[in-house]
Amino acid sequence: QSALTQPASVSGSPGQSIIISCTGTSSDVGGNNHVSWYQQHPGKAPKLTIYEVRNRPSGVPDRFSASKSANTASLTISGLQAEDEADYYCASYTTSNTFVFGTGTKVTVL
Amino acid sequence: QVQLVQSGAELKKPGASVKVSCKASGYTFTSYHIHWLRQAPGQGLEWLGTIFRSAGNTKNAQKFQGRLTMTRDTATSTVYMDLSSLTSEDTAVYFCARETPSSYCFDYWGLGTLVTVSS
Repeated sequence: QSALTQPASVSGSPGQSIIISCTGTSSDVGGNNHVSWYQQHPGKAPKLTIYEVRNRPSGVPDRFSASKSANTASLTISGLQAEDEADYYCASYTTSNTFVFGTGTKVTVL
Repeated sequence: QVQLVQSGAELKKPGASVKVSCKASGYTFTSYHIHWLRQAPGQGLEWLGTIFRSAGNTKNAQKFQGRLTMTRDTATSTVYMDLSSLTSEDTAVYFCARETPSSYCFDYWGLGTLVTVSS
């Protein structure tokens, strides 16, 4: 199972919006709605940010939103803040009943 | 509150095995699946496998078939991950994470256990 494809880095100024893409195949992202996103600060464990394509867990700010079209999922951070600087990973359940992660995206707040 | 407390760092020689534990608290242990994931230095996340809540059966990633064993002790709410035939490529931080059944996501994570494989 190959890793899902994410851009290596995305940057934006405070207050701006950025979008992170996550491209897979019909065997993972395109095959179900079980796409999730994780935020990871350096040296920390990942934190669930989005589940089931577009749902935010309690406590996640509403500036985080997400969607999916065909084999590509997207995470949008609106009103970018300094604390959003982190690595972001998408993940998908697969038709083989396994999980696959994205390659990861480093978000830099300029 | 939900906590997953992992065992401490390990240094192993190539060819050896490592066993990492993950003790759960703050919720009903047998109501949630536990997954194992890892992250090599400077690299992304990788899913290793799952131990399911009800019967404790497991599902591994194909890559680890034959050398990954996951077990649990319901009396102590602890899950174990045993990885054998270690190579330097297994050097990574290993995480356990909880999944609410049918949510297909990892809602709580342990802090991670660094496993270093070096001669």
